[in-house]
Amino acid sequence: TQLLEQSPQFLSIQEGENLTVYCNSSSVFSSLQWYRQEPGEGPVLLVTVVTGGEVKKLKRLTFQFGDARKDSSLHITAAQPGDTGLYLCAGISGSARQLTFGSGTQLTVLP
Amino acid sequence: KAGVTQTPRYLIKTRGQQVTLSCSPISGHRSVSWYQQTPGQGLQFLFEYFSETQRNKGNFPGRFSGRQFSNSRSEMNVSTLELGDSALYLCASSVPSSTDTQYFGPGTRLTVL
Repeated sequence: TQLLEQSPQFLSIQEGENLTVYCNSSSVFSSLQWYRQEPGEGPVLLVTVVTGGEVKKLKRLTFQFGDARKDSSLHITAAQPGDTGLYLCAGISGSARQLTFGSGTQLTVLP
Repeated sequence: KAGVTQTPRYLIKTRGQQVTLSCSPISGHRSVSWYQQTPGQGLQFLFEYFSETQRNKGNFPGRFSGRQFSNSRSEMNVSTLELGDSALYLCASSVPSSTDTQYFGPGTRLTVL
């Protein structure tokens, strides 16, 4: 079973602060995705990273895929209350292209 | 384009009963996946259907089953409900490609009493 560990599990910060969420595995993934889920809704895809070492920026969010394609990080600059939500990483592997989700990071940004 | 819809949104059942959940994918999407989300276990893959055939299956007991119709709509069924089946059940649809993008519905919140 491929496992994705996310850290931290919970994060509460003040508006304007920076933060980084980590997603680690002992397994190699062909690609990795980050989702954000808000209460009462399903996860929404933020980004897909495919190449080892790849860095993608989405406004204040920076996503990085590890060189070995086993880990990833999400960095948020100048967090805003609207960034509050459950952040999930998900690895895609194998010909079945099955998603394996991480344990999630619950982020709360206080105004 | 309308998103993924799931019905019902909320459901309360008692132990031993069975339940059927429904998912309508985005128009044109032929792949539907089901996930169970709980605070303790997170998001876990149940199964995936493509063109009315189960293509992948997660590690869940046989009480969990599903099917897909010719219009790509999908249902999942849980028989002999247990307290531990209380969860948010999410459906996602996609157009299979080299980098799959799954679009999730809002989920069905199932509570087993």
